[in-house]
Amino acid sequence: DQQVKQNSPSLSVQEGRISILNCDYTNSMFDYFLWYKKYPAEGPTFLISISSIKDKNEDGRFTVFLNKSAKHLSLHIVPSQPGDSAVYFCAAGGSNYKLTFGKGTLLTVNP
Amino acid sequence: DAGVIQSPRHEVTEMGQEVTLRCKPISGHNSLFWYRQTMMRGLELLIYFNNNVPIDDSGMPEDRFSAKMPNASFSTLKIQPSEPRDSAVYFCASRHTTSGFTDTQYFGPGTRLTVL
Repeated sequence: DQQVKQNSPSLSVQEGRISILNCDYTNSMFDYFLWYKKYPAEGPTFLISISSIKDKNEDGRFTVFLNKSAKHLSLHIVPSQPGDSAVYFCAAGGSNYKLTFGKGTLLTVNP
Repeated sequence: DAGVIQSPRHEVTEMGQEVTLRCKPISGHNSLFWYRQTMMRGLELLIYFNNNVPIDDSGMPEDRFSAKMPNASFSTLKIQPSEPRDSAVYFCASRHTTSGFTDTQYFGPGTRLTVL
């Protein structure tokens, strides 16, 4: 039973346009959400996070939106750059130490 | 800052052999995690240590898997005997836990294990 779902295995966008990566979760006990980025042959690296008490968090070109009622979060990258091409993992956690990860979305930004 | 170090980066072995994966967490971090990544299951937590003590090993697939953390700067994940279905990328991650899981986990580069 997947508690964190990334329904799009891949996404392709043009350089300069917006990339929107989506994530859905089922566990209402999750109260903290993170996005990790992963390049080939490297480990995931932390990108941005959001607490359940917020609905938006912004860091430069990256913005995460949280819709608690829909149990949905999204990552917006504006403008997208070729260097953003990577696998993006959504992760969620509650009051303990565990993070539950989605299966990832491969983003390709075309020059 | 060296980051999380894992060795070996690649391991190819035959079914039935013992495999040992190694991890050196970031200095000063007091929590360590072992994850496994497969196409089918994605990134799943195997075991979590806090202050060198195993807190939760419920993600360990079966008794063939074992993990140790003899000190704050070293951990091992052992598979004995290995099976082809153990083929995956194994990641180690560490963090400095102060107030729960909101502290960021830092991942190593992973060990790609292939069991023939």
